[in-house]
Amino acid sequence: GEDVEQSLFLSVREGDSSVINCTYTDSSSTYLYWYKQEPGAGLQLLTYIFSNMDMKQDQRLTVLLNKKDKHLSLRIADTQTGDSAIYFCASAGGSYIPTFGRGTSLIVHP
Amino acid sequence: DSGVTQTPKHLITATGQRVTLRCSPRSGDLSVYWYQQSLDQGLQFLIQYYNGEERAKGNILERFSAQQFPDLHSELNLSSLELGDSALYFCASSESGDIAYEQYFGPGTRLTVT
Repeated sequence: GEDVEQSLFLSVREGDSSVINCTYTDSSSTYLYWYKQEPGAGLQLLTYIFSNMDMKQDQRLTVLLNKKDKHLSLRIADTQTGDSAIYFCASAGGSYIPTFGRGTSLIVHP
Repeated sequence: DSGVTQTPKHLITATGQRVTLRCSPRSGDLSVYWYQQSLDQGLQFLIQYYNGEERAKGNILERFSAQQFPDLHSELNLSSLELGDSALYFCASSESGDIAYEQYFGPGTRLTVT
């Protein structure tokens, strides 16, 4: 079945850039998403990219998609302590139901 | 605040019991999705309802069932509970039944089976 893989932890210093990587297996993925989950809260959609795009920028967030390698990344510029959370990568094909990765815990040190 | 409400926030019950989780979607949203988040399986899609009808089914066990009522709120029923059913259960809603990026998540119900 479909699978989405991402590393479990990332630690960065405040003010640095964070890059969270994700790989997916479903070649028919049409939508690729990044969600943020803060402690005790539900998932919040941060950004998404269509499979026919290479890059999407939204303020401090940059999403890069390498469709050939099925690799997605999320770059957070000028990372702040408030960015500490779990970040989920997800992909969806024709059914539009996302398959989620296990999440990357981003820890931002002052 | 996403506008999606879930009750109860926490639920502790014993093995073999049955529980009902409730979700109220955002005003105007017709679609409701249920997800299970556990340490073992990560975040998994269970089932989707759109305007009262089942639209898509994921990894939902036969012991679990859901429905969406005419007022569009949804309930997830979990029966013959096992220890492994302990998890965070999220509900999400969207206006459309087809566009996944419109999903808004509730805060979740934490189920503990002892």
